[in-house]
Amino acid sequence: DAKTTQPNSMESNEEEPVHLPCNHSTISGTDYIHWYRQLPSQGPEYVIHGLTSNVNNRMASLAIAEDRKSSTLILHRATLRDAAVYYCILLNDYKLSFGAGTTVTVRA
Amino acid sequence: NAGVTQTPKFQVLKTGQSMTLQCAQDMNHNSMYWYRQDPGMGLRLIYYSASEGTTDKGEVPNGYNVSRLNKREFSLRLESAAPSQTSVYFCASSRGTVRETQYFGPGTRLLVL
Repeated sequence: DAKTTQPNSMESNEEEPVHLPCNHSTISGTDYIHWYRQLPSQGPEYVIHGLTSNVNNRMASLAIAEDRKSSTLILHRATLRDAAVYYCILLNDYKLSFGAGTTVTVRA
Repeated sequence: NAGVTQTPKFQVLKTGQSMTLQCAQDMNHNSMYWYRQDPGMGLRLIYYSASEGTTDKGEVPNGYNVSRLNKREFSLRLESAAPSQTSVYFCASSRGTVRETQYFGPGTRLLVL
């Protein structure tokens, strides 16, 4: 399975943007880049996904490098509710392989 | 529209006891999954069901059995619980298997003494 590398933790102030990096240097041409997040004591929640082009939705934006070896999840204005563990996952079949993710702390 | 529901929310078992974790989805999804999450770690796939009537092993199937009762329901059974099975169990579903977004339930916290 192609692997991803994320920082263990990041901190942000409320109302400020958060940029979460993910390295996936061994990505294959058919791997989709998915992001999930897990709020405390809850199940994982889908955030966004993309293949080659940058993507936006109501929750976040996903910026994908031209060579696809890295990507960045952007939360435009962090709120306290965005405090969670964020997982960057390469998906080419059915299986989601969750690593340790990035723990995001939002300061009021 | 409740999404994915799981019962029970919390369970304590003694070593050797058996139990069944229930999962149901109301999104008319074809595929369903069972994951476990140990403290401070990511999720690991136990079993999945690509469609009604089929089940397959995931990454950590030992000690578990599953039943896809119908399109809505997918149960996970522990025949003889062990302390190593203390974990949080998540059920998920998706429209199909390949590259589809998965929707997760709230989890069942299981403690095996």
